[in-house]
Amino acid sequence: TQLLEQSPQFLSIQEGENLTVYCNSSSVFSSLQWYRQEPGEGPVLLVTVVTGGEVKKLKRLTFQFGDARKDSSLHITAAQPGDTGLYLCAGTFGGKLIFGQGTELSVKP
Amino acid sequence: GAVVSQHPSRVICKSGTSVKIECRSLDFQATTMFWYRQFPKQSLMLMATSNEGSKATYEQGVEKDKFLINHASLTLSTLTVTSAHPEDSSFYICSARDFSRGGRETQYFGPGTRLLVL
Repeated sequence: TQLLEQSPQFLSIQEGENLTVYCNSSSVFSSLQWYRQEPGEGPVLLVTVVTGGEVKKLKRLTFQFGDARKDSSLHITAAQPGDTGLYLCAGTFGGKLIFGQGTELSVKP
Repeated sequence: GAVVSQHPSRVICKSGTSVKIECRSLDFQATTMFWYRQFPKQSLMLMATSNEGSKATYEQGVEKDKFLINHASLTLSTLTVTSAHPEDSSFYICSARDFSRGGRETQYFGPGTRLLVL
């Protein structure tokens, strides 16, 4: 059973398009994190959302934490080839950081 | 910012040999470190929690005798893959938990170690 359900798992789009990645759970989290990982490297933290309903922006990336703190979304506006990578949501459960399945994003020029 | 290093970055070994991977927190002390495993195009799967000065706790399905973890100091945890087989080939990533920055817990990840068992 996957504690954090992430969707879609694969996404291939053209440069300039918008996209949204979802991270859902039946459990409440005190916070959720979003990471980006490039091939052969460790994940890099993008943002941590803490408050229910919170919205954080990082340039063209918008992160939202659900009101009930059970879900989160990542929206990318006008995607660029440099956005290509694996995006991971993660939450702490039982003192351990657990990851969703990941979303492999490919942005074609 | 905080840095976690791993060594080696990649290793190729013969089937049946043992391989040791080191994880170091470079500018903070970490009483807790974590070891993850990642297969191609998949997410990170937690293998075990490494606790300084005590035994590691393993996730369900992870063989503790196969994946030996030692956390002998506040800045170093090691993962030894014993009697490695081709199915152990994977990307191993460690992380270290830092409580020293304003009381807020942050987990930092290492760059990973690519293991290929022939």
